[in-house]
Amino acid sequence: QLVLTQSPSASASLGASVKLTCTLSSGHSTYAIAWHQQQPEKGPRYLMKLNSDGSHSKGDGIPDRFSGSSSGAERYLTISSVQPEDEGDYHCQTWGSGIGVFGGGTRLTVL
Amino acid sequence: QVQLQQSGPGLVKPSQTLSLTCAISGDSVSSNSAAWHWIRQSPSRGLEWLGRTYYRSKWYYDYAISVKSRITINPDTSQNQFSLHLNSVTPEDTAVYYCARGLSGYLYSWGQGTLVTVSS
Repeated sequence: QLVLTQSPSASASLGASVKLTCTLSSGHSTYAIAWHQQQPEKGPRYLMKLNSDGSHSKGDGIPDRFSGSSSGAERYLTISSVQPEDEGDYHCQTWGSGIGVFGGGTRLTVL
Repeated sequence: QVQLQQSGPGLVKPSQTLSLTCAISGDSVSSNSAAWHWIRQSPSRGLEWLGRTYYRSKWYYDYAISVKSRITINPDTSQNQFSLHLNSVTPEDTAVYYCARGLSGYLYSWGQGTLVTVSS
């Protein structure tokens, strides 16, 4: 069964770097995912599609401080020089066997 | 740039049908590359994919197992929009509903969201 696992919470100091993780279930390590950002009281926004080889394509207007990387079944979202507006929920999403799958989301707090 | 504008009632009575519409600008509902999705979000279930429709010489539909017996997604080529119909709703269907545009299953554009409350 295709499942995405995310830690419920993370925190980072203003100006620091943070790396969020999305883990694909066993047998699905070659799958690409998409990262979506959801600021407080807003809808999700597409950040990037991240492939198993670490290549990624970002959405229009996504700042350079957002980047993605991959290792095995892990898909990472790195935010360098975290800003106050980066606080919110980050969701990973993928697709398999004709259905969409979301991770549980990670809530990022900017300290 | 693709924009999605949602409309529909925010309150539905139990056992009735929830209906929402998503108007598309910047693309066509009959696109040969895009698909048109509905997703919902609640505190208890997080983001939950509900279903999609897409056109590849004919119309196709995929639905989540959890709602498959109750859901219909309809494309409307005359208005360039698509709709969600979820029947026999209960309070557990209370959520924020989103439409989205997808390419190869990945969601690239989202609607603004509609809070739908199921209550008498």
